[in-house]
Amino acid sequence: DVKVTQSSRYLVKRTGEKVFLECVQDMDHENMFWYRQDPGLGLRLIYFSYDVKMKEKGDIPEGYSVSREKKERFSLILESASTNQTSMYLCASSLGGLSETQYFGPGTRLLVL
Amino acid sequence: KQEVTQIPAALSVPEGENLVLNCSFTDSAIYNLQWFRQDPGKGLTSLLLIQSSQREQTSGRLNASLDKSSGRSTLYIAASQPGDSATYLCALSGGYQKVTFGTGTKLQVIP
Repeated sequence: DVKVTQSSRYLVKRTGEKVFLECVQDMDHENMFWYRQDPGLGLRLIYFSYDVKMKEKGDIPEGYSVSREKKERFSLILESASTNQTSMYLCASSLGGLSETQYFGPGTRLLVL
Repeated sequence: KQEVTQIPAALSVPEGENLVLNCSFTDSAIYNLQWFRQDPGKGLTSLLLIQSSQREQTSGRLNASLDKSSGRSTLYIAASQPGDSATYLCALSGGYQKVTFGTGTKLQVIP
């Protein structure tokens, strides 16, 4: 079974802090994704990566950056957390290509005070 | 820009009932459509994936259909059970790794 893990289930940070969210997948998938999920807005793509050291902006990249130094790990970075970044963050991976199923991690619920 | 709509936002049915969840989309140029299930506070679990060239997929009590010409997909759940209670989301893959999600239908199956 594909397993996608996220470093924290719950996280509380203060405004202005630098925040790191880590995601690891164990199935040698090419593609990895970061989404945020908010009530009434659904899932929105922040960034994705289709290879090591490669990244592409999604729909809402502002205020975020990402890092993919190893194939299995995809990090989301909030350079200076703000209250409007309070959300549920979901990581996903897929084998490759557009026809492949995405597998999701359990999510990280981030609260920025 | 692809827009994905799921109506109703919430649905409550008695146990044993057959039900249909709807997903509408505006751009038929898709690669695939996927149905997910999300339990409260959890990540998404893939249920069914329909390729653009397919009309339907089945898995156990679930059947998903795709009609690109009308911009619709349905998820049929047979003989619903309380364990089916969750939020169901559809997601469409378009060009360049772009995936657009609907906002989901929250299903409650009452024992």
